[in-house]
Amino acid sequence: AQKVTQAQTEISVVEKEDVTLDCVYETRDTTYYLFWYKQPPSGELVFLIRRNSFDEQNEISGRYSWNFQKSTSSFNFTITASQVVDSAVYFCALSGSSNTGKLIFGQGTTLQVKP
Amino acid sequence: DTAVSQTPKYLVTQMGNDKSIKCEQNLGHDTMYWYKQDSKKFLKIMFSYNNKELIINETVPNRFSPKSPDKAHLNLHINSLELGDSAVYFCASSGGASGVYEQYFGPGTRLTVT
Repeated sequence: AQKVTQAQTEISVVEKEDVTLDCVYETRDTTYYLFWYKQPPSGELVFLIRRNSFDEQNEISGRYSWNFQKSTSSFNFTITASQVVDSAVYFCALSGSSNTGKLIFGQGTTLQVKP
Repeated sequence: DTAVSQTPKYLVTQMGNDKSIKCEQNLGHDTMYWYKQDSKKFLKIMFSYNNKELIINETVPNRFSPKSPDKAHLNLHINSLELGDSAVYFCASSGGASGVYEQYFGPGTRLTVT
């Protein structure tokens, strides 16, 4: 069975602090894909990144960075110098090798960035 | 231009009624999905269509029936609405049915059953 766990339910930081959102996954597939989505207070789901299981390179996009470690089945997301606009619910998700595109979501982490 | 659109954005109705939610994507994608987000923000897939063919049908009451008239549209019809159906329903689309494709979500439809 596939599973995604985001153990941090809520995180509160002060603006300009760095924050890391944890994501741990379980799958028996050898090929799989990991995603992060952002859900701001307005409610829409915004795609942030996709990572393939065979590509363990870390990725940086502006203030966002992702650390993928197959050895620990983790795909953590770090926001550097957080801003109030980063306040949102962040979801980690997993898709396996079946040809359905089915996404398994974690429970989400609510990030509150205070000014 | 809105990539994935849903109508209506809000839907308030009484128990026992039948309602539909419409979804359209203009991304040229082959695959479309319906997800349900409950009051605790948990997201779960309900259905998926690839080239108008149903490929995912999770354990969803048969009161829920998806229909895909063409690749760009995926509608969700719900019969005999119950209180527990209250949730936000998201439509999504992707370039194909493989997990390699990221999914793009619509704005959501907040359904409230009273």
